[in-house]
Amino acid sequence: QQQVKQSPQSLIVQKGGISIINCAYENTAFDYFPWYQQFPGKGPALLIAIRPDVSEKKEGRFTISFNKSAKQFSLHIMDSQPGDSATYFCAASKNGDYKLSFGAGTTVTVRA
Amino acid sequence: NAGVTQTPKFQVLKTGQSMTLQCAQDMNHNSMYWYRQDPGMGLRLIYYSASEGTTDKGEVPNGYNVSRLNKREFSLRLESAAPSQTSVYFCASSEGRQVNTEAFFGQGTRLTVV
Repeated sequence: QQQVKQSPQSLIVQKGGISIINCAYENTAFDYFPWYQQFPGKGPALLIAIRPDVSEKKEGRFTISFNKSAKQFSLHIMDSQPGDSATYFCAASKNGDYKLSFGAGTTVTVRA
Repeated sequence: NAGVTQTPKFQVLKTGQSMTLQCAQDMNHNSMYWYRQDPGMGLRLIYYSASEGTTDKGEVPNGYNVSRLNKREFSLRLESAAPSQTSVYFCASSEGRQVNTEAFFGQGTRLTVV
Protein backbone atom coordinates (compact mmCIF):
# COMPACT_ATOMS: atom_id res chain seq x y z
CA GLN A 1 0.00 0.00 0.00
CA GLN A 2 1.06 3.58 -0.53
CA GLN A 3 3.13 4.95 2.32
CA VAL A 4 2.06 8.52 1.54
CA LYS A 5 -1.64 9.30 1.12
CA GLN A 6 -2.50 12.37 -0.94
CA SER A 7 -5.77 14.26 -1.38
CA PRO A 8 -7.69 15.47 -3.24
CA GLN A 9 -7.27 13.56 -6.49
CA SER A 10 -8.10 16.71 -8.45
CA LEU A 11 -9.15 20.29 -7.85
CA ILE A 12 -10.27 23.27 -9.85
CA VAL A 13 -9.50 26.80 -8.70
CA GLN A 14 -10.12 30.22 -10.16
CA LYS A 15 -7.21 32.40 -11.16
CA GLY A 16 -5.98 34.24 -8.10
CA GLY A 17 -7.37 31.64 -5.70
CA ILE A 18 -5.58 29.31 -3.29
CA SER A 19 -4.92 25.65 -4.07
CA ILE A 20 -4.37 23.33 -1.12
CA ILE A 21 -3.12 19.74 -1.39
CA ASN A 22 -2.75 17.52 1.65
CA CYS A 23 -0.56 14.51 2.36
CA ALA A 24 -0.33 12.14 5.31
CA TYR A 25 2.22 9.50 6.23
CA GLU A 26 2.62 6.80 8.86
CA ASN A 27 6.34 6.06 8.85
CA THR A 28 7.94 8.25 11.53
CA ALA A 29 11.36 7.49 10.03
CA PHE A 30 10.57 9.77 7.08
CA ASP A 31 12.54 12.97 7.35
CA TYR A 32 12.53 14.53 3.89
CA PHE A 33 9.32 15.70 2.21
CA PRO A 34 9.56 17.04 -1.34
CA TRP A 35 6.83 18.14 -3.73
CA TYR A 36 7.14 17.48 -7.44
CA GLN A 37 5.30 19.26 -10.25
CA GLN A 38 4.51 17.52 -13.52
CA PHE A 39 3.21 19.08 -16.74
CA PRO A 40 1.50 16.89 -19.38
CA GLY A 41 4.00 14.88 -21.40
CA LYS A 42 6.90 15.79 -19.11
CA GLY A 43 8.70 14.17 -16.23
CA PRO A 44 8.16 15.40 -12.65
CA ALA A 45 10.41 18.21 -11.44
CA LEU A 46 11.22 19.23 -7.88
CA LEU A 47 9.13 22.19 -6.77
CA ILE A 48 9.91 22.61 -3.08
CA ALA A 49 10.99 20.41 -0.16
CA ILE A 50 10.94 20.51 3.63
CA ARG A 51 12.57 18.68 6.52
CA PRO A 52 10.76 18.11 9.84
CA ASP A 53 12.86 20.57 11.81
CA VAL A 54 10.77 23.44 10.41
CA SER A 55 6.98 23.84 10.30
CA GLU A 56 6.77 25.94 7.15
CA LYS A 57 8.79 26.73 4.05
CA LYS A 58 7.89 29.31 1.44
CA GLU A 59 9.25 29.79 -2.06
CA GLY A 60 7.45 32.46 -4.01
CA ARG A 61 3.77 31.57 -4.23
CA PHE A 62 4.36 27.99 -3.00
CA THR A 63 4.33 27.12 0.71
CA ILE A 64 4.76 23.79 2.48
CA SER A 65 3.18 23.46 5.92
CA PHE A 66 4.40 20.58 8.06
CA ASN A 67 2.74 19.11 11.15
CA LYS A 68 5.07 16.52 12.65
CA SER A 69 2.73 15.42 15.46
CA ALA A 70 -0.13 14.81 13.02
CA LYS A 71 2.20 13.29 10.42
CA GLN A 72 0.75 15.55 7.77
CA PHE A 73 2.10 18.09 5.33
CA SER A 74 0.45 20.25 2.74
CA LEU A 75 1.21 22.41 -0.29
CA HIS A 76 -0.44 25.80 -0.65
CA ILE A 77 -0.37 27.60 -3.99
CA MET A 78 -1.22 31.24 -3.44
CA ASP A 79 -2.55 33.52 -6.19
CA SER A 80 -2.95 30.48 -8.48
CA GLN A 81 -2.19 31.12 -12.16
CA PRO A 82 -3.18 29.17 -15.29
CA GLY A 83 0.49 28.23 -15.68
CA ASP A 84 0.24 26.36 -12.37
CA SER A 85 -2.14 23.84 -13.97
CA ALA A 86 -0.26 20.56 -13.51
CA THR A 87 -0.16 17.38 -11.47
CA TYR A 88 1.47 17.69 -8.06
CA PHE A 89 3.01 14.79 -6.16
CA CYS A 90 4.04 14.77 -2.54
CA ALA A 91 6.77 12.35 -1.54
CA ALA A 92 8.80 11.23 1.45
CA SER A 93 12.03 9.45 2.18
CA LYS A 94 13.99 8.23 5.17
CA ASN A 95 17.38 9.37 6.31
CA GLY A 96 19.99 7.06 4.83
CA ASP A 97 17.62 5.90 2.10
CA TYR A 98 17.81 6.83 -1.56
CA LYS A 99 14.22 5.93 -2.38
CA LEU A 100 11.25 8.28 -2.56
CA SER A 101 7.70 7.13 -1.73
CA PHE A 102 5.21 9.14 -3.76
CA GLY A 103 1.59 10.06 -3.17
CA ALA A 104 -1.01 9.32 -5.85
CA GLY A 105 -0.93 12.85 -7.26
CA THR A 106 -3.32 15.80 -7.50
CA THR A 107 -4.31 17.34 -10.81
CA VAL A 108 -4.74 21.10 -10.38
CA THR A 109 -6.66 23.10 -12.99
CA VAL A 110 -6.58 26.88 -12.72
CA ARG A 111 -9.36 28.58 -14.65
CA ALA A 112 -8.68 32.01 -16.08
CA ASN B 1 21.80 20.54 -20.93
CA ALA B 2 20.40 17.09 -21.66
CA GLY B 3 19.93 15.92 -18.05
CA VAL B 4 18.21 12.51 -18.13
CA THR B 5 17.48 11.08 -21.58
CA GLN B 6 15.14 8.15 -22.15
CA THR B 7 14.57 6.18 -25.34
CA PRO B 8 12.20 5.39 -26.88
CA LYS B 9 9.47 7.93 -26.10
CA PHE B 10 6.65 5.66 -27.28
CA GLN B 11 6.43 1.90 -27.81
CA VAL B 12 3.71 -0.62 -28.59
CA LEU B 13 4.45 -4.26 -27.80
CA LYS B 14 2.53 -7.45 -28.26
CA THR B 15 2.02 -9.68 -25.24
CA GLY B 16 5.08 -11.87 -24.76
CA GLN B 17 7.51 -9.63 -26.64
CA SER B 18 10.61 -8.30 -24.93
CA MET B 19 12.20 -4.89 -25.00
CA THR B 20 14.74 -2.71 -23.23
CA LEU B 21 14.16 0.86 -22.17
CA GLN B 22 17.31 2.94 -22.22
CA CYS B 23 18.25 5.75 -19.85
CA ALA B 24 21.34 7.94 -19.71
CA GLN B 25 22.25 10.91 -17.50
CA ASP B 26 25.00 13.46 -18.00
CA MET B 27 25.05 14.99 -14.51
CA ASN B 28 27.64 12.59 -13.07
CA HIS B 29 25.02 11.31 -10.63
CA ASN B 30 25.68 8.20 -8.59
CA SER B 31 22.09 6.99 -8.10
CA MET B 32 19.56 6.08 -10.77
CA TYR B 33 15.97 4.86 -10.62
CA TRP B 34 13.16 3.43 -12.71
CA TYR B 35 9.57 4.34 -11.84
CA ARG B 36 6.25 3.52 -13.44
CA GLN B 37 3.33 5.95 -13.39
CA ASP B 38 -0.25 4.73 -13.51
CA PRO B 39 -3.45 6.77 -13.05
CA GLY B 40 -4.37 7.07 -9.39
CA MET B 41 -1.22 5.24 -8.29
CA GLY B 42 1.38 7.97 -8.40
CA LEU B 43 4.95 6.94 -9.15
CA ARG B 44 6.03 3.50 -8.00
CA LEU B 45 9.66 2.47 -7.82
CA ILE B 46 10.56 -0.57 -9.92
CA TYR B 47 14.33 -0.83 -9.40
CA TYR B 48 17.09 1.48 -8.35
CA SER B 49 20.86 1.65 -8.41
CA ALA B 50 22.38 3.49 -5.47
CA SER B 51 25.79 3.52 -7.14
CA GLU B 52 27.57 2.06 -10.13
CA GLY B 53 27.72 -1.70 -9.82
CA THR B 54 24.72 -2.10 -7.50
CA THR B 55 21.04 -2.62 -8.16
CA ASP B 56 18.12 -3.24 -5.81
CA LYS B 57 14.42 -4.00 -6.07
CA GLY B 58 11.84 -1.34 -5.43
CA GLU B 59 8.11 -1.70 -4.76
CA VAL B 60 7.05 -3.38 -8.02
CA PRO B 61 10.01 -5.33 -9.50
CA ASN B 62 8.17 -8.40 -10.81
CA GLY B 63 8.44 -8.82 -14.57
CA TYR B 64 11.42 -6.47 -14.91
CA ASN B 65 15.19 -6.62 -14.88
CA VAL B 66 17.75 -3.84 -14.86
CA SER B 67 21.37 -3.27 -15.79
CA ARG B 68 23.59 -0.46 -14.56
CA LEU B 69 25.86 -0.49 -17.59
CA ASN B 70 28.16 2.25 -16.30
CA LYS B 71 27.80 5.40 -14.23
CA ARG B 72 25.78 7.14 -16.97
CA GLU B 73 23.43 4.40 -18.14
CA PHE B 74 20.69 2.37 -16.46
CA SER B 75 18.46 0.15 -18.59
CA LEU B 76 15.14 -1.55 -17.82
CA ARG B 77 14.22 -4.80 -19.54
CA LEU B 78 10.84 -6.43 -19.94
CA GLU B 79 11.49 -10.08 -20.77
CA SER B 80 7.92 -11.09 -21.62
CA ALA B 81 5.59 -8.10 -21.76
CA ALA B 82 2.10 -8.32 -20.26
CA PRO B 83 -0.87 -5.92 -20.62
CA SER B 84 -0.46 -5.06 -16.91
CA GLN B 85 2.87 -3.46 -17.83
CA THR B 86 1.13 -0.83 -19.93
CA SER B 87 2.27 2.35 -18.23
CA VAL B 88 4.45 5.43 -18.47
CA TYR B 89 8.00 4.68 -17.38
CA PHE B 90 10.32 7.30 -15.92
CA CYS B 91 14.01 7.10 -15.33
CA ALA B 92 15.49 9.42 -12.71
CA SER B 93 18.88 10.18 -11.21
CA SER B 94 20.19 11.89 -8.09
CA GLU B 95 23.57 12.90 -6.79
CA GLY B 96 23.50 10.07 -4.29
CA ARG B 97 26.58 10.78 -2.15
CA GLN B 98 24.32 12.65 0.22
CA VAL B 99 20.90 11.12 0.66
CA ASN B 100 17.70 13.08 0.23
CA THR B 101 18.91 15.10 -2.73
CA GLU B 102 16.86 16.22 -5.69
CA ALA B 103 15.84 13.56 -8.19
CA PHE B 104 15.90 14.58 -11.86
CA PHE B 105 13.47 12.82 -14.17
CA GLY B 106 13.54 12.02 -17.86
CA GLN B 107 10.61 12.77 -20.17
CA GLY B 108 9.17 9.29 -19.90
CA THR B 109 8.43 6.31 -22.15
CA ARG B 110 4.79 5.56 -22.87
CA LEU B 111 4.50 1.79 -23.27
CA THR B 112 1.38 0.00 -24.47
CA VAL B 113 1.20 -3.80 -24.37
CA VAL B 114 -1.59 -5.28 -26.49
